[in-house]
Amino acid sequence: AQSVTQLGSHVSVSEGALVLLRCNYSSSVPPYLFWYVQYPNQGLQLLLKYTTGATLVKGINGFEAEFKKSETSFHLTKPSAHMSDAAEYFCAGRSGTYKYIFGTGTRLKVLA
Amino acid sequence: NAGVTQTPKFRVLKTGQSMTLLCAQDMNHEYMYWYRQDPGMGLRLIHYSVGEGTTAKGEVPDGYNVSRLKKQNFLLGLESAAPSQTSVYFCASSSQGAPQYFGPGTRLTVL
Repeated sequence: AQSVTQLGSHVSVSEGALVLLRCNYSSSVPPYLFWYVQYPNQGLQLLLKYTTGATLVKGINGFEAEFKKSETSFHLTKPSAHMSDAAEYFCAGRSGTYKYIFGTGTRLKVLA
Repeated sequence: NAGVTQTPKFRVLKTGQSMTLLCAQDMNHEYMYWYRQDPGMGLRLIHYSVGEGTTAKGEVPDGYNVSRLKKQNFLLGLESAAPSQTSVYFCASSSQGAPQYFGPGTRLTVL
């Protein structure tokens, strides 16, 4: 069964700096991988997803993620952080038919 | 277009009481999910449904039951609430499998 691990429960960056949120997966089959964002007191929103094809995936709000099979990683990046990016981010993957598991989340803080 | 809605938004129960959480979506999605979110544990799948009249167990189904009598609604029931069920519950729906649209959540406290 697949699992996803997010490295770092809290990440702080300065406004305008690079955002890098780390996610590693374990899977014996090609994974389906996702990133979600959760703003305070709201439900999750799908940021982007990787299923097949291009390994660099672009999502909403300027975020992108790259699937690297050799590193079993799917890290989320954004070139320049905005204050509005402050939220909790979850990596997720498919663990079985219709079953999707989530990482424990990374809370992003953006410093002015 | 309301998307995914959940009722109630907040609830406090005493141990042993029962309740039903309602999830409704207006996007004609086949797939619906119930997750619980606990601090430091991410989201864990309770039950899911791949279509009207179907339900299946997720990672943590014990103590919960579900029903999907209508395509747009997915109900989560707690027959005898326990303090361990204190959590934030999220419903999600999707047209393609992976959860795509989430509701705003129900914050449940069991005393």
